Amino acid sequence: DTGVSQDPRHKITKRGQNVTFRCDPISEHNRLYWYRQTLGQGPEFLTYFQNEAQLEKSRLLSDRFSAERPKGSFSTLEIQRTEQGDSAMYLCASSGAALGETQYFGPGTRLLVL
Amino acid sequence: GEDVEQSLFLSVREGDSSVINCTYTDSSSTYLYWYKQEPGAGLQLLTYIFSNMDMKQDQRLTVLLNKKDKHLSLRIADTQTGDSAIYFCAEKARGSTLGRLYFGRGTQLTVWP
Repeated sequence: DTGVSQDPRHKITKRGQNVTFRCDPISEHNRLYWYRQTLGQGPEFLTYFQNEAQLEKSRLLSDRFSAERPKGSFSTLEIQRTEQGDSAMYLCASSGAALGETQYFGPGTRLLVL
Repeated sequence: GEDVEQSLFLSVREGDSSVINCTYTDSSSTYLYWYKQEPGAGLQLLTYIFSNMDMKQDQRLTVLLNKKDKHLSLRIADTQTGDSAIYFCAEKARGSTLGRLYFGRGTQLTVWP
């Protein structure tokens, strides 16, 4: 396994369109995280899965955002009715279950909403 | 919530040492991390330190933790041009059993030849 992968790497869309991003974690990791990073800022937590269960969502995750991890493996993050303020890098990370397990990040999906 | 602060910019000459500093507010932090981000890329884990440690060394990297002052630093020895990147400090709080990380804004390290 070569690490966390994300697809697509770049997405340009028009305001109002829906977009979906995919994350494939490291295969033995049961925890999966989504973060958002805007220009000049550090990553901010969006949501977290343990196996297929979504256990926490940030206030940043408005009702236009939905994330799934149906079989406890890959995850998708969908943004409906995109707005220009959604333009950011969307980062996925995965880790094992122990408290000290470090999070390994994917390359990110850069979204630009025109 | 947790607050992690870093200086935004650091410039050093190739071959010198770099020291990147970070302060955090949550005294219950369990693990503290340093990540590196190159332009257009994701975050690469560099090193981490558990809160019951004062220092950790890993090749050219030395992490120092001052729990009293809630201060974390990353020293890069013999800095190379390839070390130019943004460096993020992150903490995982004790109460955060879910493991979410809180990041600083990042320090842009520029290494001059």
